[in-house]
Amino acid sequence: DQQVKQNSPSLSVQEGRISILNCDYTNSMFDYFLWYKKYPAEGPTFLISISSIKDKNEDGRFTVFLNKSAKHLSLHIVPSQPGDSAVYFCAAIDGGTSYGKLTFGQGTILTVHP
Amino acid sequence: DSGVTQTPKHLITATGQRVTLRCSPRSGDLSVYWYQQSLDQGLQFLIQYYNGEERAKGNILERFSAQQFPDLHSELNLSSLELGDSALYFCASSGPPGHSYNEQFFGPGTRLTVL
Repeated sequence: DQQVKQNSPSLSVQEGRISILNCDYTNSMFDYFLWYKKYPAEGPTFLISISSIKDKNEDGRFTVFLNKSAKHLSLHIVPSQPGDSAVYFCAAIDGGTSYGKLTFGQGTILTVHP
Repeated sequence: DSGVTQTPKHLITATGQRVTLRCSPRSGDLSVYWYQQSLDQGLQFLIQYYNGEERAKGNILERFSAQQFPDLHSELNLSSLELGDSALYFCASSGPPGHSYNEQFFGPGTRLTVL
């Protein structure tokens, strides 16, 4: 049962353009969402998060949007840079019961072309 | 550098053997989490410890066990290893009391190969 889904295995964009990575979830008890970036041979690196009481959170070039009614979140990267090329994972937490257990999506490979 | 350290980086062993993976959390972090990343399953939560006590359990096999020691480092023990246990094993830690526990910081992982 895949509670967090990233339906696009890969995304390719030009440097300077916007990258939009999408994530859907099915568990309505999730109340906190995170995005992680992962390079090969390294552990995931925390990027940005959002609480379910908000619908947007911004940090520099990264913005996460949350649409609770659609159970959908997205990560926008503007402008995209070649160094952003990595695997991006969205993750969710049910803060009421799971004490911080992260449920991850399958990941989206982002390639930013110079 | 997340501040979370894991040893060893690579481990190659045979079926039926037992191995121990070690994790040191970031300074001040009380929570330690273990995750398994395999090709077909993605990143899966295994178990969480908070200040030495088991807090939450995922789909961790009975052949696997973990503990967190008084100095807060953690060990993940994998026994009766099978080919399917080959995977990347990540440890993560999260903030001390009063800080958000939600942002977990991951170590570089241990790549386990079972032959």
